[in-house]
Amino acid sequence: GQQLNQSPQSMFIQEGEDVSMNCTSSSIFNTWLWYKQDPGEGPVLLIALYKAGELTSNGRLTAQFGITRKDSFLNISASIPSDVGIYFCAGQNYGGSQGNLIFGKGTKLSVKP
Amino acid sequence: EAGVTQFPSHSVIEKGQTVTLRCDPISGHDNLYWYRRVMGKEIKFLLHFVKESKQDESGMPNNRFLAERTGGTYSTLKVQPAELEDSGVYFCASSSRQGPLYGYTFGSGTRLTVV
Repeated sequence: GQQLNQSPQSMFIQEGEDVSMNCTSSSIFNTWLWYKQDPGEGPVLLIALYKAGELTSNGRLTAQFGITRKDSFLNISASIPSDVGIYFCAGQNYGGSQGNLIFGKGTKLSVKP
Repeated sequence: EAGVTQFPSHSVIEKGQTVTLRCDPISGHDNLYWYRRVMGKEIKFLLHFVKESKQDESGMPNNRFLAERTGGTYSTLKVQPAELEDSGVYFCASSSRQGPLYGYTFGSGTRLTVV
């Protein structure tokens, strides 16, 4: 089946640093999504990308949908302690069930104050 | 507006026992999804309900898993008999229209541990 390769698996950074994580796939997706999961909570949607090449920002977050439709990155600028959590990328294709998201394994972010 | 509610938040059971997880979607959301994350791995799709009908159950691991959504409101996911590899966090999500583009909200999950 389709798989997403998400990297890095974990990051330990100092408060104020910028963060970058990415996802790649061997197959094409029509939509890329980035979620954040806080401890004990479910994933929360951060950014959704619908067009190849699209670059979207949400506050300190910026994400891009790769031009080949096989990759995406998420950048976080000037990290703060509340950025701690697990970040997941997810892809979706319209061909299958509209509900079927394919997730990466997650990037665990730790921020040192 | 109340979010997606899952119960219990944690469950520890012995191998061979039965466990039933419950999900209450956001009121009025016809679409309900179950996902599972085994530790250290990706979150995987299990199945999708539209009202009380199963739209897609291609992700269900095997016939030990039974999902129901009687009356198109809350849903249950029963594992019988549970095996060690069933341990993980089970997430439920709901949306008013199909797909994540239209507001797809996850619950906090049920952490299932099979010992």
